[in-house]
Amino acid sequence: SQKIEQNSEALNIQEGKTATLTCNYTNYSPAYLQWYRQDPGRGPVFLLLIRENEKEKRKERLKVTFDTTLKQSLFHITASQPADSATYLCALVPLWGNTPLVFGKGTRLSVIA
Amino acid sequence: EAQVTQNPRYLITVTGKKLTVTCSQNMNHEYMSWYRQDPGLGLRQIYYSMNVEVTDKGDVPEGYKVSRKEKRNFPLILESPSPNQTSLYFCASSLSLGGGRAGPYNEQFFGPGTRLTVL
Repeated sequence: SQKIEQNSEALNIQEGKTATLTCNYTNYSPAYLQWYRQDPGRGPVFLLLIRENEKEKRKERLKVTFDTTLKQSLFHITASQPADSATYLCALVPLWGNTPLVFGKGTRLSVIA
Repeated sequence: EAQVTQNPRYLITVTGKKLTVTCSQNMNHEYMSWYRQDPGLGLRQIYYSMNVEVTDKGDVPEGYKVSRKEKRNFPLILESPSPNQTSLYFCASSLSLGGGRAGPYNEQFFGPGTRLTVL
């Protein structure tokens, strides 16, 4: 069965450093991979989307890479700030819309001042 | 303001008492979806709809029903709720690519969530 794993449940880093979160998957061929941010008790908020034929995507301090050979996506936050503390979720989007979408369990990032 | 709304936000009910959680979006999105989120299990898709009158099962559809009679609304129905359906529920919508290619290929907009407790 399809499986998606995010590298750790929790990640603590010092303010100003780069946070790197990992999303690995098996038994799935996503067309897209999405990253979301979720704050406690609130709905996820979309951050970035990367297509299977794209290697890298950037948005301000965020960068996402997608390696379909390794079946892995890396999500980077550079110059991290305490306000970046949240849970980050990756989601695999299927090639065809009539297939369930799969989310990872998330990584809780804490940026320490 | 573009948004997805859900009602109610909080609900405590008893086993077997039918309930409906409403979801509405004002962005003319084709794709809508329901998720439940549980500690340790993450966000799991219950049902999704690629357009009006088209619905499909997600990963955890047992015990739930949905309908999509209008583009903007996608209610989630629990005919006979049980304690294992106690969870945080999210509705989401997404614009499709167009050209008949329906699906969550763009960002999903999530509602604020409905916290359901079944006693």
